[in-house]
Amino acid sequence: GENVEQHPSTLSVQEGDSAVIKCTYSDSASNYFPWYKQELGKRPQLIIDIRSNVGEKKDQRIAVTLNKTAKHFSLHITETQPEDSAVYFCAASISGNTPLVFGKGTRLSVIA
Amino acid sequence: DVKVTQSSRYLVKRTGEKVFLECVQDMDHENMFWYRQDPGLGLRLIYFSYDVKMKEKGDIPEGYSVSREKKERFSLILESASTNQTSMYLCASSLAGGHTEAFFGQGTRLTVV
Repeated sequence: GENVEQHPSTLSVQEGDSAVIKCTYSDSASNYFPWYKQELGKRPQLIIDIRSNVGEKKDQRIAVTLNKTAKHFSLHITETQPEDSAVYFCAASISGNTPLVFGKGTRLSVIA
Repeated sequence: DVKVTQSSRYLVKRTGEKVFLECVQDMDHENMFWYRQDPGLGLRLIYFSYDVKMKEKGDIPEGYSVSREKKERFSLILESASTNQTSMYLCASSLAGGHTEAFFGQGTRLTVV
C-alpha cells in the first residue's frame, strides 16, 4: 500500500522567514495530495491540496509543489507568522474512494 | 458549517472494559473514518466506511471494531481495552465520488488504566 514519508519532524523559523516541509510517497498511482494543519488542542483542517495534473498551487502565503516523476511534494509557507505555528500533515490517496494516507507530521514553530 | 462531533473529549477506562467512541456528522457525507493519533506516528487509519453497514479495515484494526447503522453515525468499539490503546482518536467524514476534503472531529483522548 501507499507509504508517505514527511520531513523534517520539527522545524523552527524566525518570524518572516520561509518554511518548507517535504513529503515523498511510494505509490505512483497516487493522484491527490492534501495538506492539513493542526493547531494545539484543535482538529486537523485542510489548508491546501493539489492534484496530479497540476505542478504547483498557491493560496496567499502558502504554496504546494508536486513532482510526480520523483514522487515528492512540498509545502512552502512564506513570511511566516506566529499563528503559523502548528503541526502540519501531508497526505496522499490513489483514488476518490481510497482513504488518505498521512505522513507523521511536522511541528512548525515560528519564533517572534 | 460542517460539523463532525465526537461524543466525548476525554475518557478514562479500565483495562478489559468495552469502550464505545461515537461520531456524528451533519453534512450527509457518505465516507467516514476513524484515525488514531500518537506523537511521532501521525494519523493512522483504524477503520473506514463508505456506506451504511459497510466497513473496511485500515492499517491498524487489531483490537477494534466499528458499527455504522445510520449514515450520520460511525462508532468505534474497543472490545477489551488495553493500556496500549491509550491515545487520541479522531473521526473524519468526507463526500463520496472524488478527492474531497476530510472534516475531522475534535478528537477523544482515551486513557486506559
